[in-house]
Amino acid sequence: DVVMTQSPLSLPVTLGQPASISCRSSQSLVYTDGNIFLHWFQQRPGQSPRRLIYQVSNRDSGVPDRFSGSGSGTDFTLKISRVEAEDVGVYYCMQYRHWPHTFGQGTKLEIK
Amino acid sequence: EVQLVESGGGLVQPGGSLRLSCVVSGVTFTTKWMSWVRQAPGKGLEWVVHVSPDGSETKYVDSAKGRFIISRDNAKSSFYVQMNSLRVEDTAVYYCVEWGQFDNYWGQGTLVTVSS
Repeated sequence: DVVMTQSPLSLPVTLGQPASISCRSSQSLVYTDGNIFLHWFQQRPGQSPRRLIYQVSNRDSGVPDRFSGSGSGTDFTLKISRVEAEDVGVYYCMQYRHWPHTFGQGTKLEIK
Repeated sequence: EVQLVESGGGLVQPGGSLRLSCVVSGVTFTTKWMSWVRQAPGKGLEWVVHVSPDGSETKYVDSAKGRFIISRDNAKSSFYVQMNSLRVEDTAVYYCVEWGQFDNYWGQGTLVTVSS
């Protein structure tokens, strides 16, 4: 199975400051057509997960533009330009290039 | 408004069976890949199974093979997972998930507890 490794696993951030989460896959996520099959999800406390970013860098509808995704091949990053209180939760990367589709362990973002 | 409503969770003894259902509204169900993703208490997310829009293609995580059976009824905008030979380690919240090219929706989850 493709292993998705996130870092850090815990991310204390001051309100208004930037945050960055890294995700590394054990195999390339590039498909034959050049698309890269990597999503990012947010799970707020007590809620279902919500997708933020699809195919590395595309924001889902309604996602604030302070969230951005980047990366290629096996290394990916989710960035929050200015953390707000509503961003508290756990963030997961997920690959769907290879079966079984796999998630990272999750990064817990909290406010300092 | 898009809604995915799961049902069928509960407490079951090891070796028992449960059938989870998910009713979908607000999307063109017949064009969507659908999945069950689970989350054990206090743990991360695990993709369990998915089914193609016409039901012809299904994929299972190894731990579910031979025990879980996914199906869908496009006429009812519903899909299901029959879970047999349940194990303690299957205890989790099971989420119904819709995958569109540009959209993605999750249900509220249904809790399955496998315990004697």
